This record gives sequence, structure tokens and C-alpha cells, in this order.
Amino acid sequence: EDQVTQSPEALRLQEGESSSLNCSYTVSGLRGLFWYRQDPGKGPEFLFTLYSAGEEKEKERLKATLTKKESFLHITAPKPEDSATYLCAVQGGTSYGKLTFGQGTILTVHP
Amino acid sequence: EPEVTQTPSHQVTQMGQEVILRCVPISNHLYFYWYRQILGQKVEFLVSFYNNEISEKSEIFDDQFSVERPDGSNFTLKIRSTKLEDSAMYFCASTLRGGTDTQYFGPGTRLTVL
Repeated sequence: EDQVTQSPEALRLQEGESSSLNCSYTVSGLRGLFWYRQDPGKGPEFLFTLYSAGEEKEKERLKATLTKKESFLHITAPKPEDSATYLCAVQGGTSYGKLTFGQGTILTVHP
Repeated sequence: EPEVTQTPSHQVTQMGQEVILRCVPISNHLYFYWYRQILGQKVEFLVSFYNNEISEKSEIFDDQFSVERPDGSNFTLKIRSTKLEDSAMYFCASTLRGGTDTQYFGPGTRLTVL
């Protein structure tokens, strides 16, 4: 059974204070690892897909990296508008489309 | 930019009643999904649907649940006899090609069972 664990559960940062969110996973044959952003009361918003260890993707202040056991979402010089819950999800080799999500990290960026 | 829409945004029902949650996926997408998120818990997969058939379903998706694409634009989730534990946010998602193709999520329907 695919499993995803995210840490920390909550992270408070000052504006401009860079940090990283962790996503550890166990899956039988990783097909893809996905990062989403979720604002309160809304649906997940797609950020990145990573397919293989060593892959990196960037978008504005966010950079996602992948190893064989975990993924990191690095946030550089965050702004208050980056405050949200960040979700990590995996798709394993035995499924075709099903995403298994972690609990999420609640990020709060103070001005 | 095309987006997934869901109606209603909030549904309140009595235990034992039937509810139908509606989704309009992105127009050229072919693969459709339902997920749910109980308050404070993980987003959980319910079912995937392609070519008018269920492709995959979770243990949560028992005989109380059914999905349908009644026309060329809508995708529905029916819960036949709601239980208190069905209270959750229900999200619809769609992709063009399935597999690891990006899943675009709708804003969700908050279902409250009293």
C-alpha cells in the first residue's frame, strides 16, 4: 500500500525566511510524485510533477526535488501570499491515476 | 483558463437521504476522479472513471456510492443512503490522458450529514 508522510505538520516563517517541506513516501514503483497547494475551503491547485530521483522543478519561489525515498519543497524568500497547505501525493505502479496524499504541511508566512 | 466546476458548493442532508454531487470537468478531458477530505484529514481517493466505466475504486467506494457521466459534460457522484461519516469535502478532478497526467481539481462540495 502506498504511503505518504509529510513534515512538519505546520511551519511558521517570517517573510523572506527560506525553508523546506519534506515528503517521505513508500510506493511500489513510483510513477509520479505530485505537489499541490490548497487554500482553506478550496480544491488542491497543481504545482509540480516529479518522475524520477534527481529530478528538480522550479516555479517562482518554489523548487521541488526528488530522491528515491523523499521529496522536498524548498521555499525561497517566502511572501505572505505563499501561506497555504502544501500537499504531496504519489501515484504507484499498481494504479493508473489514483493519487495517495499526505496529511499536508500548513505554511504560515508572517509579514 | 479552463477549470473544473462543482455544484452545489454546500449540501446539507439528513442521514439516510440520497445526494447527488455534480461536476463539470474540463471540456476535452477524458479521465475523471472523485476524492474526499474529511475535516482535518488527508485527501482520499474514491474512484476513477474512463470511457463510461470505473477504472479503479478504493475500499471507501462501496455499494452506497455510484458514479455516472449522464451527458457529455457532467460527472456525478451519488451517495444512496448518507451516513454521518460521509460528511466531508468532495473533490472532482479530471485529466486529459490519465496516468500521471496532471489532475485538475474542482473547488469541492462540502457535504454535511445531520
